[in-house]
Amino acid sequence: GQNIDQPTEMTATEGAIVQINCTYQTSGFNGLFWYQQHAGEAPTFLSYNVLDGLEEKGRFSSFLSRSKGYSYLLLKELQMKDSASYLCAAYNDYKLSFGAGTTVTVRA
Amino acid sequence: DSGVTQTPKHLITATGQRVTLRCSPRSGDLSVYWYQQSLDQGLQFLIQYYNGEERAKGNILERFSAQQFPDLHSELNLSSLELGDSALYFCASSDQDGNTEAFFGQGTRLTVV
Repeated sequence: GQNIDQPTEMTATEGAIVQINCTYQTSGFNGLFWYQQHAGEAPTFLSYNVLDGLEEKGRFSSFLSRSKGYSYLLLKELQMKDSASYLCAAYNDYKLSFGAGTTVTVRA
Repeated sequence: DSGVTQTPKHLITATGQRVTLRCSPRSGDLSVYWYQQSLDQGLQFLIQYYNGEERAKGNILERFSAQQFPDLHSELNLSSLELGDSALYFCASSDQDGNTEAFFGQGTRLTVV
């Protein structure tokens, strides 16, 4: 089975940095994904980590520690359009299993 | 546009009925995943197909079934519908048997009345 935990909500100011943590317990772990989902829309891919370390993609970075079962998504220079739900997902045994998502609200 | 097409976009039906949701994956993608997302719930994995074969099963009810056809499109069949089945149903596709980016369709919003 799998257990994926992430905070329910976070609020930050425009231009700031926010870090969304995700812990997971899965069997047969093969990689960790982050997706962004605006309300009522499809999730869109942000990042993928399979090895330990930091992956940077523009304003978004993602980190993975396999030994600790831990990942984070770092959002820099926050913009109003970044207000959305951020989903952590672990890939194992051919299943991509999602956490409940973290709703990030960006305030002016 | 992710390249994954789901039809219909909206569906309203009565309890006890049966519906079929359709998904066309991105060109070249062999894997199709189905997810259910209810209000206030995360994405719940239902089932995955790879090149026509069932690969993994999640929390899929016995009233639900799916298949992937030779042309790689997939259908999710929901029968004996209950009010609690009202949700957004997403299809996603990827080019390999997992471990790669999955692209999501826009979803089918099912309302059971």
